Amino acid sequence: EDQVTQSPEALRLQEGESSSLNCSYTVSGLRGLFWYRQDPGKGPEFLFTLYSAGEEKEKERLKATLTKKESFLHITAPKPEDSATYLCAVQPGGSEKLVFGKGTKLTVNP
Amino acid sequence: KAGVTQTPRYLIKTRGQQVTLSCSPISGHRSVSWYQQTPGQGLQFLFEYFSETQRNKGNFPGRFSGRQFSNSRSEMNVSTLELGDSALYLCASSLDQRPLHFGNGTRLTVT
Repeated sequence: EDQVTQSPEALRLQEGESSSLNCSYTVSGLRGLFWYRQDPGKGPEFLFTLYSAGEEKEKERLKATLTKKESFLHITAPKPEDSATYLCAVQPGGSEKLVFGKGTKLTVNP
Repeated sequence: KAGVTQTPRYLIKTRGQQVTLSCSPISGHRSVSWYQQTPGQGLQFLFEYFSETQRNKGNFPGRFSGRQFSNSRSEMNVSTLELGDSALYLCASSLDQRPLHFGNGTRLTVT
């Protein structure tokens, strides 16, 4: 069964304190791994797609990496506006659906 | 470019009633997917439509149905509502290549 587990469930950081979020997955034939950001009362906002082990993508203070079993979302020198829930999802081979993890709620204090 | 638009934003219904939710995808996107989001289960896939055809369906009972029109707009219907159907229903569209672009959802409360 395709499965995504994100850790930690919640993370509190001080502004400027770098950290990483983890996404572990089991999937039959990975077509892609996706990171989304979700703010309260809004839908998920697309951040990155990763397709193969070793791939990395960066956007401002965020960097996503991928191995054969997990992905990391590294946050460098976060700011309060980075506070949100970060969702990881995988697309199994031969399927159009995404399987989501339950997310990591990140709070960055000023 | 306008994003994915979902209406209504909020709905309150009574057990046993039925409800229809609407989604207008990003212009040019022909694939529309629906997800249910709850605090306990997270986001769960309902179904996906492409060019008016349902291509994939998640593990939800037959009370959950959907359709897509020739202009790519989509609706989902839930009949005989149960308390457990209370959730945020999210619609997403794509150019049949990921990524999905989500709307802000319809918050359904069943009393």
